Amino acid sequence: DTGVSQDPRHKITKRGQNVTFRCDPISEHNRLYWYRQTLGQGPEFLTYFQNEAQLEKSRLLSNRFSAERPKGSFSTLEIQRTEQGDSAMYLCASSLASTSGRTGELFFGEGSRLTVL
Amino acid sequence: AQSVSQHNHHVILSEAASLELGCNYSYGGTVNLFWYVQYPGQHLQLLLKYFSGDPLVKGIKGFEAEFIKSKFSFNLRKPSVQWSDTAEYFCAVLSGNTGKLIFGQGTTLQVKP
Repeated sequence: DTGVSQDPRHKITKRGQNVTFRCDPISEHNRLYWYRQTLGQGPEFLTYFQNEAQLEKSRLLSNRFSAERPKGSFSTLEIQRTEQGDSAMYLCASSLASTSGRTGELFFGEGSRLTVL
Repeated sequence: AQSVSQHNHHVILSEAASLELGCNYSYGGTVNLFWYVQYPGQHLQLLLKYFSGDPLVKGIKGFEAEFIKSKFSFNLRKPSVQWSDTAEYFCAVLSGNTGKLIFGQGTTLQVKP
């Protein structure tokens, strides 16, 4: 499968624990996005990378959240000291931006579902 | 800030009925608009997109959408739905040059056989 892959698909954790999600984008894609989706809502933007640079973070993203894309390939999203309100589906997407900056289609992974007890 | 509003949260149709899902966006300048679909248990997939040119855009699986600038709308249509169209549908607008998509809250479509 050459699409966007996310791991793990499901994570159940206790409040206060740290969790980390991994995203492997489509290999030639230079942009990578993280979104969060809760039941009955559309995906909400969290952050995005162009290659290894994190260029934008949503104000929704508290300082307990951190994302990295160290070599411009895979990315990790870590949530520290999880809270029940962090329970959601965390989606990763990737795209190929042209040299002029025009973005292509976003391709989404199947998401990592987090349940905080 | 840009925003997207989808008016219908839950739509139930019988097979062969016509479909129209509403989408309105807030930004008044040049917009790039998308419809994504999420079938049960699957990832979000692009149905169609509008960047410029013909305001009537055709997508996959017989879907189309019309960009009406004066109404800030990008409604999704299909003349005859099938049971397999049961899914959640999201309208989205592209924000600036980042490629960041702003999504509406989604519409759940249930098609009865």
